[in-house]
Amino acid sequence: AQSVSQHNHHVILSEAASLELGCNYSYGGTVNLFWYVQYPGQHLQLLLKYFSGDPLVKGIKGFEAEFIKSKFSFNLRKPSVQWSDTAEYFCAVRSYNTDKLIFGTGTRLQVFP
Amino acid sequence: DTEVTQTPKHLVMGMTNKKSLKCEQHMGHRAMYWYKQKAKKPPELMFVYSYEKLSINESVPSRFSPECPNSSLLNLHLHALQPEDSALYLCASSQDPQNSYNEQFFGPGTRLTVL
Repeated sequence: AQSVSQHNHHVILSEAASLELGCNYSYGGTVNLFWYVQYPGQHLQLLLKYFSGDPLVKGIKGFEAEFIKSKFSFNLRKPSVQWSDTAEYFCAVRSYNTDKLIFGTGTRLQVFP
Repeated sequence: DTEVTQTPKHLVMGMTNKKSLKCEQHMGHRAMYWYKQKAKKPPELMFVYSYEKLSINESVPSRFSPECPNSSLLNLHLHALQPEDSALYLCASSQDPQNSYNEQFFGPGTRLTVL
């Protein structure tokens, strides 16, 4: 069965620090990859997605992610975080021939001014 | 209109009650989804409707009954729920379930408490 791992459960950073959140998945076939963000009290929003092509994907709010097929990874990065980035971040994977989205356990990011 | 709306925002019900959650989108999307999210956990897929037909049921107990009356509307009928069913219920939609380049748009959720 497919699974998605996010090893960082809780990350605490100061503003302007760089961010990298890990995401690994277990599935040998073609996948679509997503990062969603859930700000406190708000609904899930798509940060970025990878379907094919350039493995370095740029999303909204200065986030980017890199798909490394050999490592089954899709890590999220941001060079300089802001207090407003405080939220829960979910990595999600969908295998190419299904409509099932599997979420990772989430990473809670807290950014202090 | 580029959003998924859900009503009610909050719902408190007893174990013998019957209630329904409603989800609506007017983006012309042909797939709609129900997810359950417990506190501090990721969303878990419950049901998928593809072109108004149930295509995926993730072994959800029969006390949850989905319905898709038309392409814009998705309901979740609740009956004889248990306190452990208390959670945030999320609805999502996507444009074309047969297109692999498909992303899901989520609604704000209904926070359900079962007493």
